[in-house]
Amino acid sequence: NAGVTQTPKFRILKIGQSMTLQCTQDMNHNYMYWYRQDPGMGLKLIYYSVGAGITDKGEVPNGYNVSRSTTEDFPLRLELAAPSQTSVYFCASTGLAGVNLYNEQFFGPGTRLTVL
Amino acid sequence: LAKTTQPISMDSYEGQEVNITCSHNNIATNDYITWYQQFPSQGPRFIIQGYKTKVTNEVASLFIPADRKSSTLSLPRVSLSDTAVYYCLVASWDSSYKLIFGSGTRLLVRP
Repeated sequence: NAGVTQTPKFRILKIGQSMTLQCTQDMNHNYMYWYRQDPGMGLKLIYYSVGAGITDKGEVPNGYNVSRSTTEDFPLRLELAAPSQTSVYFCASTGLAGVNLYNEQFFGPGTRLTVL
Repeated sequence: LAKTTQPISMDSYEGQEVNITCSHNNIATNDYITWYQQFPSQGPRFIIQGYKTKVTNEVASLFIPADRKSSTLSLPRVSLSDTAVYYCLVASWDSSYKLIFGSGTRLLVRP
């Protein structure tokens, strides 16, 4: 299993440009997440999905959009890039869990995005 | 979701035991305490998770007192490769499993 893969690894955008960060997992996990990590800080949840066709906002969703058409893929869309979106973006997934059961999150290697 | 407070940084030497304590005063009944490790330019990696008392796995132990308002990650006999940022977080389950990361503890292991 490759686990969670993300593309691209690095990207430089100009203000106002748009792009899609790709995330794919091959573990048949229902739950997928997007986080951003600013320098020296912890991760902040942007969006998450509990299954194909179902997404919801996290802590910092403004300026981003997501879709989940398949179990494997969870792309993150930036429509009008701003310097404040310069960050490292991590995708993660976890398997099905119920109340009082835990499941660790598996993280991808990250995408480093710079907006100039 | 419960917020966590942990030391910003810690220093240790190879072979020593390292204990990192985290406070989470407003933890809810169904919340789990989880620790992740992160190396530079990598995604976080799960270390250990617990609900109460003590949990041990092959790399760490987690001690949680009865009131669950704090927890301590114990790393036995650290090596240079344990130099990383360690995140204590409370994992909440309502309609999905969500993690809210704090700023983490930077552990530096010296020779």
